[in-house]
Amino acid sequence: DQQVKQNSPSLSVQEGRISILNCDYTNSMFDYFLWYKKYPAEGPTFLISISSIKDKNEDGRFTVFLNKSAKHLSLHIVPSQPGDSAVYFCAASVISWGKLQFGAGTQVVVTP
Amino acid sequence: NAGVTQTPKFQVLKTGQSMTLQCAQDMNHEYMSWYRQDPGMGLRLIHYSVGAGITDQGEVPNGYNVSRSTTEDFPLRLLSAAPSQTSVYFCASSSAGLTEAFFGQGTRLTVV
Repeated sequence: DQQVKQNSPSLSVQEGRISILNCDYTNSMFDYFLWYKKYPAEGPTFLISISSIKDKNEDGRFTVFLNKSAKHLSLHIVPSQPGDSAVYFCAASVISWGKLQFGAGTQVVVTP
Repeated sequence: NAGVTQTPKFQVLKTGQSMTLQCAQDMNHEYMSWYRQDPGMGLRLIHYSVGAGITDQGEVPNGYNVSRSTTEDFPLRLLSAAPSQTSVYFCASSSAGLTEAFFGQGTRLTVV
């Protein structure tokens, strides 16, 4: 029973354009959402997060949007750069749980 | 600043062998967890701990044991390795109430 879903396994985008990654969840108890970036042969690294009391959080080129009624969040990367080519994982949690639930990941390729 | 350290980085086991994957963190984090990453399935939680002496099962606990005798260490034991346990294993830690988890570099395990 996958509670966090990333339905796009891959995304190709031109350098300088916007990358939009989507994530859906089913558990209404989740109150914290995160995005992680992963390069091959490395561990995931934290990118950006959002609490369920907000609908938007921005950090430089990265913005996460949360639509609680639709149980949907998205990550926008503007502008996309070649170094953004990686696998991006969406994750969700209840803060007191101490554990994260991950989606399957989206492979982003930024082309020149 | 070491963060989360996993050893070994690579391991090949024969079916039926046992081994322990080591994980240590130096950030005094209360929460630690083990995930496995398989193609198309994202990161799945194996076991987690919210403090020394306290552990609980995740989504895919069968075939694995954990214990948490100190805050710093959280080893993962494979009792009798099976080919289905071929995967990349990640250890993570986080502070209580802060769901941003820090990950180790991973252990690539092959069971033949």
